[in-house]
Amino acid sequence: DTGVSQDPRHKITKRGQNVTFRCDPISEHNRLYWYRQTLGQGPEFLTYFQNEAQLEKSRLLSDRFSAERPKGSFSTLEIQRTEQGDSAMYLCASSLRGATEAFFGQGTRLTVV
Amino acid sequence: QKEVEQNSGPLSVPEGAIASLNCTYSDRGSQSFFWYRQYSGKSPELIMSIYSNGDKEDGRFTAQLNKASQYVSLLIRDSQPSDSATYLCAVIVGTSYDKVIFGPGTSLSVIP
Repeated sequence: DTGVSQDPRHKITKRGQNVTFRCDPISEHNRLYWYRQTLGQGPEFLTYFQNEAQLEKSRLLSDRFSAERPKGSFSTLEIQRTEQGDSAMYLCASSLRGATEAFFGQGTRLTVV
Repeated sequence: QKEVEQNSGPLSVPEGAIASLNCTYSDRGSQSFFWYRQYSGKSPELIMSIYSNGDKEDGRFTAQLNKASQYVSLLIRDSQPSDSATYLCAVIVGTSYDKVIFGPGTSLSVIP
């Protein structure tokens, strides 16, 4: 399978715990995006990378959120001290370069209890 | 003003009719536009991209772009129940025009 892969697909965690999600983009895609989506809303931009460089982090994102893309391949998104409001679908997408079509993984659904 | 706006719907059309979905964007410099389809509980799937003013057709789908009016639309001809989904408009924005931003989506229901 050469599509975008996300792991895990589902995560249930207790409030206050840390969680980490992984995204493997389509090979040779330089651009990688993270989005968050809640029910009835469109994907909300969180951050994006060009190779290993993080280009922008949404100002709506608290300091509890951090993302990395070491070596410009896979990426991780970590949420520290999770809150119930963090419950959402976290989507990863990749594109060959900027200003081109982005392709999504299947998402990680986070439930904070 | 939000960067990308869409009618939230829901939009209901009978099977076989034309469904028309609309999107407006705020950044006059944007050059790349996309339509995604998202079934409930699934991730968005790219169905159309458009970069130039005018119409672009792909099967039953036609994307229309008017940069002067900052308006993008998607027409679905001969709508089928399987077209029932949320349709997301996406626009490339940002200082370097390389970031994909999504609208809130329009829910479409095709009634058999």
